[in-house]
Amino acid sequence: GQSLEQPSEVTAVEGAIVQINCTYQTSGFYGLSWYQQHDGGAPTFLSYNGLDGLEETGRFSSFLSRSDSYGYLLLQELQMKDSASYFCAVQYNFNKFYFGSGTKLNVKP
Amino acid sequence: DTGVSQDPRHKITKRGQNVTFRCDPISEHNRLYWYRQTLGQGPEFLTYFQNEAQLEKSRLLSDRFSAERPKGSFSTLEIQRTEQGDSAMYLCASTLRDRDYEQYFGPGTRLTVT
Repeated sequence: GQSLEQPSEVTAVEGAIVQINCTYQTSGFYGLSWYQQHDGGAPTFLSYNGLDGLEETGRFSSFLSRSDSYGYLLLQELQMKDSASYFCAVQYNFNKFYFGSGTKLNVKP
Repeated sequence: DTGVSQDPRHKITKRGQNVTFRCDPISEHNRLYWYRQTLGQGPEFLTYFQNEAQLEKSRLLSDRFSAERPKGSFSTLEIQRTEQGDSAMYLCASTLRDRDYEQYFGPGTRLTVT
C-alpha cells in the first residue's frame, strides 16, 4: 500500500519562511506533487518533483530526495492568504495518485 | 476558477436513494479523475478515464459506485443505494495526458446522506 506522513498543523508569522515536510512509502513511485486548498475550496496544483532536487516557482519551492523517500514544500515571504491546507501527493504506478492528510498552515500577523 | 465544473454543488439525499453527479473537464484535457474527500483528509482516488475508457478503479470502491465518460468529454459518477458513510465531497479533476501530476480540480459536489 501507500503511506504518507506530513505534519497536521504548522503556524508561522507573516513574512517568515516555513517548510512542510512529507515522507512517503510507496511502490512504483513516479513523483511528488503539492497542492494548496483553502477552506471550502478545491485543491490547486503548486509544484511537482519527478527528479531529485529543488523546483522553484515564485515564493514556493519543492524538494525531493528519492533515496530518503522525502520531500518538502518551502514557502517564503509568507502572506496571510497562504493560510490554507497543503497536501503532498505521490504519483505511483504511472497514473495513480495518493494524497496525504494535509498540513494546515496558519499564518499570523 | 480552474475551468472544471461540477454539478450539483450540493446534494442532500436520503439513505437508499441513488444520486448522480456530473463533471465537465477542461476541453483539451483527455484524462479525468474522480476523488472523494472527507473532512480533515486528502482526496482519495476513486477512478480515472483516458478519453472515454475507464482505465483504473480503486479496489476500495464499492460496486454501488459507477462512473462513465461516454464521449470522452463530461463524466458522471453514480452512487446507488446511498449510505451515510457516502457523505463526503466528491471532486473531479482533469489533466493532460503527459502532465498527469498537474491536476485541475473542480469545485466539488458535497453529498449529505441523511
